[in-house]
Amino acid sequence: GAVVSQHPSWVICKSGTSVKIECRSLDFQATTMFWYRQFPKQSLMLMATSNEGSKATYEQGVEKDKFLINHASLTLSTLTVTSAHPEDSSFYICSARATGPFRSGANVLTFGAGSRLTVL
Amino acid sequence: AQTVTQSQPEMSVQEAETVTLSCTYDTSESNYYLFWYKQPPSRQMILVIRQEAYKQQNATENRFSVNFQKAAKSFSLKISDSQLGDTAMYFCAFMSSATYKYIFGTGTRLKVLA
Repeated sequence: GAVVSQHPSWVICKSGTSVKIECRSLDFQATTMFWYRQFPKQSLMLMATSNEGSKATYEQGVEKDKFLINHASLTLSTLTVTSAHPEDSSFYICSARATGPFRSGANVLTFGAGSRLTVL
Repeated sequence: AQTVTQSQPEMSVQEAETVTLSCTYDTSESNYYLFWYKQPPSRQMILVIRQEAYKQQNATENRFSVNFQKAAKSFSLKISDSQLGDTAMYFCAFMSSATYKYIFGTGTRLKVLA
């Protein structure tokens, strides 16, 4: 089945530094990837939609200069948390959608295992 | 805008019993998908079952089945013969045919008791 690898699984950084999280589709091409943020015991909140070769689309209230998203190839999207602060500490999850028409298996998103970010 | 509501924050069920998790949604679209995802303590999102809005037949996957009521915009999940491994957070999700975005409900924490 489809597999999405997310790396790192956890990272601790100092306030003011930047952190990059990678999301790779291992056995399929993903034209679209989504980035979510999840606070403890809460739901997944969509941050942005990443399309290969174009600028990411951010949800309302998400700072695009804080959370830089790059979808450089059909198998890789990255999320960079710039100048991280303690309030950016969270669990970040990516998901990928394979190419294909709406009424196909491509509608099922494959999720990465998530990345836990702790900013000290 | 679409919304997904899960009105049961927590539920528990005895092992081998049946439990139903509720989900309602709101949309003006006619073409969409609905999903139930499971998130165990590992926090890996795992697809449980999906339902195409254009299909009237309720989806089933082994012990998991849904009751899809399109007119009522209701999409409940029934877990039969509950197992300890079913203990997890369950999220209902709506996928728009226009944007392919998933909108998640707030989740229901299910605990299966031995």
